[in-house]
Amino acid sequence: KAGVTQTPRYLIKTRGQQVTLSCSPISGHRSVSWYQQTPGQGLQFLFEYFSETQRNKGNFPGRFSGRQFSNSRSEMNVSTLELGDSALYLCASSPVIAGGNEQFFGPGTRLTVL
Amino acid sequence: AQSVTQPDIHITVSEGASLELRCNYSYGATPYLFWYVQSPGQGLQLLLKYFSGDTLVQGIKGFEAEFKRSQSSFNLRKPSVHWSDAAEYFCAVVPFSGYSTLTFGKGTMLLVSP
Repeated sequence: KAGVTQTPRYLIKTRGQQVTLSCSPISGHRSVSWYQQTPGQGLQFLFEYFSETQRNKGNFPGRFSGRQFSNSRSEMNVSTLELGDSALYLCASSPVIAGGNEQFFGPGTRLTVL
Repeated sequence: AQSVTQPDIHITVSEGASLELRCNYSYGATPYLFWYVQSPGQGLQLLLKYFSGDTLVQGIKGFEAEFKRSQSSFNLRKPSVHWSDAAEYFCAVVPFSGYSTLTFGKGTMLLVSP
């Protein structure tokens, strides 16, 4: 099975712009979660989607949003980019929503905001 | 507040020596526990997980971890470290069975000296 794929792998944007990141989960996985990784804050949960519904959301401003499509692919959007949004954005998929299930991570999208 | 603590930011171990990475959690009840590894520029790979039962858990790449309820700890060990083990290691928990949200420690960077 192919793993979790994320596109693009690298992205450079300027302050005030918006960006959309894409995640394709492992085939058959219906849950997709997003995490932000920065040197200062570490790994922080953004949101989780299951069957096109947002099930859980982390403590991030409304500029961060996401969605999931019927094929389980997910996108996250960040509007009005700030310098502090520079980070590695990781997507993870799991087959079901129970907390004990392993999450499989993609390689991440490295976003740089100038 | 719920938290995961990895007290060591960096650890240097000689190749062939044993390794122990510490992880403590603060939750009302025993959560699901995980150890992930991240190589530079990569996503996260699951090393092992603990849900219940035997408190000594075997993982991939020769790693094991021991859950100690009395100490709220889940330390990762390896009897003989290889140079390829150099990476960043994250302890993570999922506190509720209904959610997949991982709460991560800040990570421990493992350096392996010749």
